[in-house]
Amino acid sequence: AQSVAQPEDQVNVAEGNPLTVKCTYSVSGNPYLFWYVQYPNRGLQFLLKYITGDNLVKGSYGFEAEFNKSQTSFHLKKPSALVSDSALYFCAVRDSNDYKLSFGAGTTVTVRA
Amino acid sequence: DAGVIQSPRHEVTEMGQEVTLRCKPISGHNSLFWYRQTMMRGLELLIYFNNNVPIDDSGMPEDRFSAKMPNASFSTLKIQPSEPRDSAVYFCATSKGQPYGYTFGSGTRLTVV
Repeated sequence: AQSVAQPEDQVNVAEGNPLTVKCTYSVSGNPYLFWYVQYPNRGLQFLLKYITGDNLVKGSYGFEAEFNKSQTSFHLKKPSALVSDSALYFCAVRDSNDYKLSFGAGTTVTVRA
Repeated sequence: DAGVIQSPRHEVTEMGQEVTLRCKPISGHNSLFWYRQTMMRGLELLIYFNNNVPIDDSGMPEDRFSAKMPNASFSTLKIQPSEPRDSAVYFCATSKGQPYGYTFGSGTRLTVV
């Protein structure tokens, strides 16, 4: 079985401040981890993924995420948030033995000017 | 590439009517997924096709829902008869398989009145 938890429903930050969106996961095999972003009335857009290799992965729009195996976490980060980063963010995990991508409940990020 | 194409973007129908949602996957993507998104339940996987064959339809809520993939370039999700509780955004997503993530369409917003 596989599952994803996003412990925060909402994250509020000021523009220019660091942004962190938390994600923890559970899989029986090796994890493939993903972050997606959803803007209003749009589909989910791929941000970045971890498959193997370097634990720090960089993605679109200046986002990065760090894979931490011991803590089973894959937190999304951005050093300096923009108002345009305001959106709904989803963490997802795929067990290396499974076809299914399991999504977290999503975290709404609001960046105030 | 035009991405995953879904039609229609919006659908408003009366309770009891048949509704058909359409999806054109990205060429070369052999996995196709139908998701439903609501505020209450988040993202729910309805059905998964691999190489045009339905593999897992355990997420289909009831017999009123059916999905087909007659060929590699087309899939439909049908609701007959529709009910107000079916109102949601329905997403089609496709993938090249392991270890890739999914590419989502823009979704169909269904309103059943």
